[in-house]
Amino acid sequence: EIVLTQSPGTLSLSPGERATLSCRASQSVSSSYLAWYQQKPGQAPRLVIYGAYSRATGIPDRFSGSESGTEFTLTISRLEPEDFAVYYCYQDGNSPYTFGQGTKLEIK
Amino acid sequence: QVQLQESGPGLVKPSQTLSLTCTVSSGSIRNGAYYWNWIRQHPGKGLEWIGYIFFTGTTQYNPSLKSRLTISLDTSKNQFSLKLSSVTAADTAVYYCARWSGSSIDYWGQGTLVTVSS
Repeated sequence: EIVLTQSPGTLSLSPGERATLSCRASQSVSSSYLAWYQQKPGQAPRLVIYGAYSRATGIPDRFSGSESGTEFTLTISRLEPEDFAVYYCYQDGNSPYTFGQGTKLEIK
Repeated sequence: QVQLQESGPGLVKPSQTLSLTCTVSSGSIRNGAYYWNWIRQHPGKGLEWIGYIFFTGTTQYNPSLKSRLTISLDTSKNQFSLKLSSVTAADTAVYYCARWSGSSIDYWGQGTLVTVSS
């Protein structure tokens, strides 16, 4: 099973700042099968990035994804109030498909 | 735009079978471009992939649940279902149905809380 380890567990930032969220895989994951989800309280997750780099429909261009080896990164260039949420990375290249434990992005 | 809606009992007794159905709207479950998934989230915790079914009936299950799990589909009703047997309190969670579209899971139901308690 591929374990996805997200860091930090909690990230406290102010609107307008840059957020960098990390997801490290325990073994190789094809970038085609790495996604990022945003979840707000009481809501289902929402797809933000798929294929490690591609923004989902309706996601603003301040969100971007990147990859370096087994580490994947979600960057939010300039935080808006609606971006504060929990973010999960997810891989479905190898079964069982797995999620990271989440990074909580909170307002400082 | 496609919509998914979970339905089923919100309370299940220990050792019984948890049964949920997902109804898919505005899109056919027989579309070979999609896989139909179940995912759960324990209260205050992260997400766990349970399994999926393809329109042919092909399934893939999480090994941690495989011995207790059945996912099936009813194409006439555009629905797919989850059955998890011999439940315990550890199966208390919000259960989501979701669609995988070839790139990732793109549409989710709103989720339904299932509590296992006597």
